[in-house]
Amino acid sequence: SQQGEEDPQALSIQEGENATMNCSYKTSINNLQWYRQNSGRGLVHLILIRSNEREKHSGRLRVTLDTSKKSSSLLITASRAADTASYFCATDAGGAQKLVFGQGTRLTINP
Amino acid sequence: EPEVTQTPSHQVTQMGQEVILRCVPISNHLYFYWYRQILGQKVEFLVSFYNNEISEKSEIFDDQFSVERPDGSNFTLKIRSTKLEDSAMYFCASSGQFNYGYTFGSGTRLTVV
Repeated sequence: SQQGEEDPQALSIQEGENATMNCSYKTSINNLQWYRQNSGRGLVHLILIRSNEREKHSGRLRVTLDTSKKSSSLLITASRAADTASYFCATDAGGAQKLVFGQGTRLTINP
Repeated sequence: EPEVTQTPSHQVTQMGQEVILRCVPISNHLYFYWYRQILGQKVEFLVSFYNNEISEKSEIFDDQFSVERPDGSNFTLKIRSTKLEDSAMYFCASSGQFNYGYTFGSGTRLTVV
């Protein structure tokens, strides 16, 4: 079984709409992080939510965490063309000194 | 804002050759990592490094791989005898705290031919 699985795998929406991506994981965690990756580029840290937090905001980003369901969601409000990228959740897999990434959601914002 | 710097950005090498990928982590960070991403696939953990030794490694990180922090600023990943399946984007990361506040570099795209 895979830690950190996102859905949907691909999402295409119109500029201005909200985009919601989901992530599920298997093991207990200390924190969950979301990253963005533009095509062929590096990983940009977006937001970290700790296991004792339920919701966190950063600009147009809202992340929720439900540890009972082992799931998280990333909401991007008022999407822009520049938000087109792949989005990955990553967990610390129960305190191991590493991040375990999901397969990612490929988000396309259509102008 | 501090950055993790990786060089080269792209390297092409012949199968069986040794490659060294270089990284300069953020200067006051204590934890260092290598990850890789095969084209179109997920980012995979390779190794973590703390206090001048490997703290954790994945099953991918076999005897062909090694890491080193030779001079207190650089952090290198060496692949001794590259295989075609080593072709991937390799990311270096560092963090100031355990599993918190990762900063990733832009990656080195390794192509083994």
